[in-house]
Amino acid sequence: DSGVTQTPKHLITATGQRVTLRCSPRSGDLSVYWYQQSLDQGLQFLIHYYNGEERAKGNILERFSAQQFPDLHSELNLSSLELGDSALYFCASSVATGFSTEAFFGQGTRLTVV
Amino acid sequence: AQTVTQSQPEMSVQEAETVTLSCTYDTSESDYYLFWYKQPPSRQMILVIRQEAYKQQNATENRFSVNFQKAAKSFSLKISDSQLGDAAMYFCAYRSALNYGQNFVFGPGTRLSVLP
Repeated sequence: DSGVTQTPKHLITATGQRVTLRCSPRSGDLSVYWYQQSLDQGLQFLIHYYNGEERAKGNILERFSAQQFPDLHSELNLSSLELGDSALYFCASSVATGFSTEAFFGQGTRLTVV
Repeated sequence: AQTVTQSQPEMSVQEAETVTLSCTYDTSESDYYLFWYKQPPSRQMILVIRQEAYKQQNATENRFSVNFQKAAKSFSLKISDSQLGDAAMYFCAYRSALNYGQNFVFGPGTRLSVLP
């Protein structure tokens, strides 16, 4: 158990709909990262939050948005969903730099758009 | 921006044999961390091993070891006595140590098959 909790584990929704994926980082971790992984593909970096502030953006579509709340949990909002958005969405957390620490990954949310 | 390259999309190894997965990275920084992650069929991301750039000694974790060549910007993973459970996707990752809240940069991955 990595200590990172993602909900829900599975999500099936129709095209055009909007969903929210939730991530609770490990206790004390200030950074939250979101990644998208399509079938048999690598990890596509979406966005990084550090202590409530957006730190970096990757190839995140305009239909996608995220935020990190004061209690450090994060939500990834996906709207106007398309079939191609079907993927495994990972959240990861880590402490601030200065420690040789890895990113701790949640189990992922498997999104299926039908 | 930093980049991570894994030039071997797929590799295979015979059970009990040794295999080496390659990783190269591009950075102008001198202080950073490198990681190897394993993603088995369950798709959970699991840390295999980490290396601090300021350490000259190569990291080792049981059957897993790295060959860290800082000047060449190379970070290969050696798996000894391969087991069926080692079959997975392996990702190399880079993280800057310069500032707080730095991002992780992942390579495209190498799919490792272990043959009985």
